Amino acid sequence: NAGVTQTPKFRVLKTGQSMTLLCAQDMNHEYMYWYRQDPGMGLRLIHYSVGEGTTAKGEVPDGYNVSRLKKQNFLLGLESAAPSQTSVYFCASSLGGYSYEQYFGPGTRLTVT
Amino acid sequence: AQKVTQAQTEISVVEKEDVTLDCVYETRDTTYYLFWYKQPPSGELVFLIRRNSFDEQNEISGRYSWNFQKSTSSFNFTITASQVVDSAVYFCALSEATGGFKTIFGAGTRLFVKA
Repeated sequence: NAGVTQTPKFRVLKTGQSMTLLCAQDMNHEYMYWYRQDPGMGLRLIHYSVGEGTTAKGEVPDGYNVSRLKKQNFLLGLESAAPSQTSVYFCASSLGGYSYEQYFGPGTRLTVT
Repeated sequence: AQKVTQAQTEISVVEKEDVTLDCVYETRDTTYYLFWYKQPPSGELVFLIRRNSFDEQNEISGRYSWNFQKSTSSFNFTITASQVVDSAVYFCALSEATGGFKTIFGAGTRLFVKA
């Protein structure tokens, strides 16, 4: 089992460009999450999904969109990148809701210049 | 409101020393879960332990132990006889029954274990 995978691992964007980050999990988990990690701030939830075809906003959703067309995939889109979106992005999945541990991908380091 | 405080930003110890990482949380819920995750230099977060609010028993797993005290809203993590491989960032996290599917993470404590 690969667990949770993310592509790409690194990306550099110019302000205003768009991109999509792909997360895939092979554990048949219902719940998937996108976080961003910034120095000194821990992980902050951007968007999450409780099942195929569903998405919801997290703590810091502005400037991001997501889609979950297939149970195993969760896409994070940046329509018009800004320097404030420079961060490390982590995808995670879990079997259930709040009582379950999350399994994380290796992260994507995004720099917006 | 949910809040997780890890007051220790960085800790540096010499191999074989014991070290305790502090975690203090705030919640109004009576049903909640606490977690610890490890983020080694490779970057991927790894789940270490989960504890629910109704189970205050301490837990030991090898060199790792966790002390959950509801009276002080703390869920501290101790590594006994630390090793270089323990060097990582450790995150404490909280999720509430009424918090939807949001898990709140602390800012993390970076642990350096020197040989």
